[in-house]
Amino acid sequence: GESVGLHLPTLSVQEGDNSIINCAYSNSASDYFIWYKQESGKGPQFIIDIRSNMDKRQGQRVTVLLNKTVKHLSLQIAATQPGDSAVYFCAEILSGNTGKLIFGQGTTLQVKP
Amino acid sequence: EAQVTQNPRYLITVTGKKLTVTCSQNMNHEYMSWYRQDPGLGLRQIYYSMNVEVTDKGDVPEGYKVSRKEKRNFPLILESPSPNQTSLYFCASSMGTGGITGELFFGEGSRLTVL
Repeated sequence: GESVGLHLPTLSVQEGDNSIINCAYSNSASDYFIWYKQESGKGPQFIIDIRSNMDKRQGQRVTVLLNKTVKHLSLQIAATQPGDSAVYFCAEILSGNTGKLIFGQGTTLQVKP
Repeated sequence: EAQVTQNPRYLITVTGKKLTVTCSQNMNHEYMSWYRQDPGLGLRQIYYSMNVEVTDKGDVPEGYKVSRKEKRNFPLILESPSPNQTSLYFCASSMGTGGITGELFFGEGSRLTVL
């Protein structure tokens, strides 16, 4: 499954498929980006991060891609599982202000069995 | 167990009655911060603290105060709560002396209702 455009509130995918969640960030001065996962009734949980001097970073079953030209970030989840169902947020941190974190609106990922 | 602990988890209060939401972390983290989460508005940063005695405003600081007298605690104070402060609040911490680096650990959230 793949989200169309820069952001969709909900993405529905079949179990076992790959998921792609997109995020448009707001500030060209941002140089550090983080993806979080929030399950119902819980606090956000760190998934993966990337700095602006990189285009791609891989973790376990997840990959983050950064396109600074169009200020776009994506999170790819391989072989999506029911446990991946959650809301996913991207967040950006401005260069020179490493304490201030700006979150995107979030995308709900629904995994169909 | 490494964790960020918030109290209370749920609170219903009335307009104008001062309240404090406590936040404590046991990871010796330098950085701590508070967020509120509202439907349609996502997570917004209220205040953050890079270190003891150092605090700074996030995007929505109005109506809130914080203090960082010791490294492990970062309480959020609502001096005179109003209904528009009804929200789900999260505290978070991160290691690193220059702000957020790597993993940001969140608490379980405090759901506050102001009548």
